[in-house]
Amino acid sequence: ETGVTQSPTHLIKTRGQQVTLRCSSQSGHNTVSWYQQALGQGPQFIFQYYREEENGRGNFPPRFSGLQFPNYSSELNVNALELDDSALYLCASTRSTPGQLIYEQYFGPGTRLTVT
Amino acid sequence: EDKVVQSPLSLVVHEGDTVTLNCSYEVTNFRSLLWYKQEKKAPTFLFMLTSSGIEKKSGRLSSILDKKELFSILNITATQTGDSAIYLCAVEVNAGKSTFGDGTTLTVKP
Repeated sequence: ETGVTQSPTHLIKTRGQQVTLRCSSQSGHNTVSWYQQALGQGPQFIFQYYREEENGRGNFPPRFSGLQFPNYSSELNVNALELDDSALYLCASTRSTPGQLIYEQYFGPGTRLTVT
Repeated sequence: EDKVVQSPLSLVVHEGDTVTLNCSYEVTNFRSLLWYKQEKKAPTFLFMLTSSGIEKKSGRLSSILDKKELFSILNITATQTGDSAIYLCAVEVNAGKSTFGDGTTLTVKP
């Protein structure tokens, strides 16, 4: 158990719909990152939140957006769903400090999204 | 563009064998290299490497990093069927932002 939780576990949506995925970080972690993992591939970085602000973004369109809350939990929102959005969505939490100490990154169990 | 390449893509061995998984990388900013084991869903953290030449060990697993040649290896000795999984290598380029390889699928047969 990593202490990182995600909900829901599975989700089926129709093309064009919108979806919200949720993540609760490990205690003491102030940074959350979201990844998309398509079948047979490694996770692809979507974006990261640090202290409620987006702090880096991968090569994903603006219809992928997120939020981080004061308790460091987070949401990933995807609008106008496309078939290619079908994937496992992972969130990962870590600690970021001004001193640039490096901490491990722990993943949640993921949400399996299927778009039909 | 940051890139992490793992080899081999897949590997089939028998229980008791020793395996070596490879990870090479080209990134603009290196903070750490991470190894994960992925069985069903979430990648499970194995090792974080930041310094060259220092071996990290956990039971039958060990890993080492070469920052000059830009690669890392993950060794598993005396493999067991429970070691069957996808092994992911990632390079952390900023805190919490990692570039992943596509993984090595290891199958250990009884």
